[in-house]
Amino acid sequence: DTGVSQDPRHKITKRGQNVTFRCDPISEHNRLYWYRQTLGQGPEFLTYFQNEAQLEKSRLLSDRFSAERPKGSFSTLEIQRTEQGDSAMYLCASSLGESTEAFFGQGTRLTVV
Amino acid sequence: GEDVEQSLFLSVREGDSSVINCTYTDSSSTYLYWYKQEPGAGLQLLTYIFSNMDMKQDQRLTVLLNKKDKHLSLRIADTQTGDSAIYFCAGLEYGNKLVFGAGTILRVKS
Repeated sequence: DTGVSQDPRHKITKRGQNVTFRCDPISEHNRLYWYRQTLGQGPEFLTYFQNEAQLEKSRLLSDRFSAERPKGSFSTLEIQRTEQGDSAMYLCASSLGESTEAFFGQGTRLTVV
Repeated sequence: GEDVEQSLFLSVREGDSSVINCTYTDSSSTYLYWYKQEPGAGLQLLTYIFSNMDMKQDQRLTVLLNKKDKHLSLRIADTQTGDSAIYFCAGLEYGNKLVFGAGTILRVKS
């Protein structure tokens, strides 16, 4: 297994467009997390899944954001009607159950112009 | 919820030791972590410490935890140019959510 994989690595989009990112966790990991990192800051929690169930969403996750993990494997994060403030690195992480170790992907850098 | 603060920048010479400091607010965090991020990359888990431990050593890395002062530090022995990166301290909240500090930029001069 090559670790957590995210696609695309970079995305430039015009304001108002919709974008979707994909995360493939480590294969046996049942927990999957999305974080957002803006320039000069640490990552901030957005949401997480245990298997296919979305268990928690941060207040940072506005109505324009939706995340899914339909079969408990890969996950998608969609942002509708993107705004310049959405420009950030979107990081995915996975862990095994209550494991103390969460492993991060390389991230998707979104630029909204 | 947890709040984590770190010093912003540290510059050291190659071969010296680096000490990166972090303070946190939530004493109920069961685990505290150090992650490394290189430019344009994701986060790499370096090490973590359970809250009932005072110290953990892992090769060149030493983590010290002062629970009374809610202070965590990461010492890197024999710092190399490849250690130049941003280092994040993080606490584990309920639900296995990580709360990160803003990161410390470590610059290693050769």
